[in-house]
Amino acid sequence: NAGVTQTPKFQVLKTGQSMTLQCAQDMNHEYMSWYRQDPGMGLRLIHYSVGAGITDQGEVPNGYNVSRSTTEDFPLRLLSAAPSQTSVYFCAVRNPLSGRAGEQFFGPGTRLTVL
Amino acid sequence: AQRVTQPEKLLSVFKGAPVELKCNYSYSGSPELFWYVQYSRQRLQLLLRHISRESIKGFTADLNKGETSFHLKKPFAQEEDSAMYYCALISGTSGSRLTFGEGTQLTVNP
Repeated sequence: NAGVTQTPKFQVLKTGQSMTLQCAQDMNHEYMSWYRQDPGMGLRLIHYSVGAGITDQGEVPNGYNVSRSTTEDFPLRLLSAAPSQTSVYFCAVRNPLSGRAGEQFFGPGTRLTVL
Repeated sequence: AQRVTQPEKLLSVFKGAPVELKCNYSYSGSPELFWYVQYSRQRLQLLLRHISRESIKGFTADLNKGETSFHLKKPFAQEEDSAMYYCALISGTSGSRLTFGEGTQLTVNP
């Protein structure tokens, strides 16, 4: 799992501020995704990408933007942070060995608090 | 729309007791189901997948299409099994979205 890295580990924002959560992988797989984890709600898909230049919305995309210019990087942008975006954010990469959609490696997470 | 439900947010058992974590799903197509686990201060990781019919760390899970369930079972729980468990579903062979349940926090007491 060292192949998926996320920065920062922790972040505190004020309402209205913007920031970018970084995700990088060295497994050279095309499929990457972002989830948010909230108590009692499990993990919910925000955005995903099936390759450089291709992104699509997940279950909860509002308030978030993504882009995929390289295979390695998949940043998640919060344009104007809101308290409802307080969560733990996980980046994931599909298992390059199996290629199966349900088998993903997760990053360590970014804990975001919006005041 | 596909949906995964884990009815128990918290589950507490004693060491050596059997444990069953429930998972129910709704999906009209042919589902693929998975169990993921997150130990304290560790990353979320895949535990097992229904297509492999495998046993990992003593855990098994059988897909019951009639009851639309994929419960995770272990006959004798260990303290190191304490973790958050998530059931997840993906649609067919060309699906690109993984839908997670709400999660069950398992605590195994000594």
